Amino acid sequence: EVQLVESGGGLIQPGGSLRLSCAASGFTVSSNYMSWVRQAPGKGLEWVSSIYSGGSTYYADSVKGRFTISRDNSKNTLYVQMSSLRGEDTAVYYCARGPGGGSSPLDYWGQGTLVTVSS
Amino acid sequence: DIQMTQSPSSLSASVGDRVTITCRASQGISNYLAWYQQKPGKVPKLLIYAASTLQSGVPSRFSGSASGTDFTLTISSLQPEDVATYYCQKYNSALRTFGQGTKVEIK
Repeated sequence: EVQLVESGGGLIQPGGSLRLSCAASGFTVSSNYMSWVRQAPGKGLEWVSSIYSGGSTYYADSVKGRFTISRDNSKNTLYVQMSSLRGEDTAVYYCARGPGGGSSPLDYWGQGTLVTVSS
Repeated sequence: DIQMTQSPSSLSASVGDRVTITCRASQGISNYLAWYQQKPGKVPKLLIYAASTLQSGVPSRFSGSASGTDFTLTISSLQPEDVATYYCQKYNSALRTFGQGTKVEIK
């Protein structure tokens, strides 16, 4: 059974850093397209970042230069390192899988982890 | 960047009504378009991909279609359990933009 479990969220001050993790089971992270998607309170879905099976990474303009997506194949885990956090980064962060290595929709989602950026 | 524009932003319909939601891409994306359903307090769920292919387990009252850069999600007979916000997403390139969402309520 495919499962995605995010962790690492919490309350962080503006300008701070945080690393979110997404532990996967039932499939191999490195063989699939993986994304982080966020949802600010009461708002819509926003694509944040992706990593392809080949290792290429991409970011939304809103987080480029501040967030870094990565994966640990030995732990079958996806990460996003977030730095220089701002109030507008406050959101539930979901990790999601796109089957196969490339152009595919997101067929499995984690339950999400809440990041609150506030002083 | 390609923009995805959904309409309407919200709608209210009666049980049994036919409901249509539109998503327009600012440039061509072939059929690389997915629809997601997010019920209140829940995780988004993939409904349709490749513009018109129903994800396994999704009721047949949901359907998708495409005409150029216009994409449509149709619920043929609205049910109470369909109350949710629906999002389109393009996946033809690395930048995976979502539409702003359409909130569907029961009248």
